[in-house]
Amino acid sequence: GESVGLHLPTLSVQEGDNSIINCAYSNSASDYFIWYKQESGKGPQFIIDIRSNMDKRQGQRVTVLLNKTVKHLSLQIAATQPGDSAVYFCAENTAGFQKLVFGTGTRLLVSP
Amino acid sequence: SQTIHQWPATLVQPVGSPLSLECTVEGTSNPNLYWYRQAAGRGLQLLFYSVGIGQISSEVPQNLSASRPQDRQFILSSKKLLLSDSGFYLCACGMGQGATDTQYFGPGTRLTVL
Repeated sequence: GESVGLHLPTLSVQEGDNSIINCAYSNSASDYFIWYKQESGKGPQFIIDIRSNMDKRQGQRVTVLLNKTVKHLSLQIAATQPGDSAVYFCAENTAGFQKLVFGTGTRLLVSP
Repeated sequence: SQTIHQWPATLVQPVGSPLSLECTVEGTSNPNLYWYRQAAGRGLQLLFYSVGIGQISSEVPQNLSASRPQDRQFILSSKKLLLSDSGFYLCACGMGQGATDTQYFGPGTRLTVL
């Protein structure tokens, strides 16, 4: 079946650095992608999304980049803060319906 | 915007006991509703989704069942819990906009089966 995967389980950065979290997806027909942040013991929180007709979208301190040629998605966090420490999931819309396929997640650790 | 409630927040149950987890949504009508399970340190596994009252789709064969008795209520149940049912259960809500349906999550229920 189609899958979305994250290949770096843990990313450690210093406070103030920029962070880049990567995600590879396998379904070339996917047309909508979301990044979620999940803090320990809590439900995932929506961060930012992007449609397949775009290659970049910016939010507050976050940017999502989509490269459809290589089926790659990334989340960039500027000036990373300790409060950004969490697990980050990418999710992909599949089959033209309201089902999302989630990656396994990347843990971001921010050191002061 | 929608708010998703889940209860209980934590639950410890013996093997073989029944289960009922509840999810309710405020601030929206006719949402798509989802149940996910998350094992420790892992990703999200979709268990069930519902596009309307009484309409349930199961994603994986398992020991669990789901029901949607009201538009904004989604229940996850089991008649006899297994050890492997332990996990973090998340309810999510989407507005059914097709390819751009963002899902929003509740706070989750931590279930431990002993």
